[in-house]
Amino acid sequence: EAAVTQSPRSKVAVTGGKVTLSCHQTNNHDYMYWYRQDTGHGLRLIHYSYVADSTEKGDIPDGYKASRPSQENFSLILELASLSQTAVYFCASSDTGGAEQFFGPGTRLTVL
Amino acid sequence: GEQVEQRPPHLSVREGDSAFIICTYTDSATAYFYWYKQEPGAGLQLLMSVFSNVDRKEEQGLTVLLNKKDKRLSLNLTAAHPGDSAVYFCADSGGSNYKLTFGKGTLLTVTP
Repeated sequence: EAAVTQSPRSKVAVTGGKVTLSCHQTNNHDYMYWYRQDTGHGLRLIHYSYVADSTEKGDIPDGYKASRPSQENFSLILELASLSQTAVYFCASSDTGGAEQFFGPGTRLTVL
Repeated sequence: GEQVEQRPPHLSVREGDSAFIICTYTDSATAYFYWYKQEPGAGLQLLMSVFSNVDRKEEQGLTVLLNKKDKRLSLNLTAAHPGDSAVYFCADSGGSNYKLTFGKGTLLTVTP
């Protein structure tokens, strides 16, 4: 059974609309992460969290919010989606910070 | 912050040949190093993790070398087969206690 799941797996959104990407993990990990992947850029960290009800900014947080309502769930929120946010988004979890991370299958977001 | 350079961006080898990917990093305090594999449409799958006190690690046709003096990490796939075709990422923990820094990836194509 997959330990990190994401929903939806793909989404088409309109510019200016609100988008919520969800992530659920059954690893019992404290740390969760949201990355975006763009061709030529590898993975870039958007937000992360090390405890429920708390989130931290990563390297590219502008235009994104995050929510960690429980240890198992971590959401990424785009309040006003823009064309530049078209990308593949990955969620990951780890036992401790800097430790090996386990990834979900990704969400392909297209903003039109 | 930590920077990871990965090369080559693209690599094509014949079945049975070796494939060699190299990463250089900047933070000498880096404790953990990782290699991930990403197949088309999928998330990142952890291939191997290496702690900084290890110079060489071999597992199932994969050899990872760590040269701390030159701050260089490499992955060698011996006897590659078409199923190895994927994007490979190196990552390290840098001096951070919360995140990994990823290289931009290497697209490996193994032709029969």
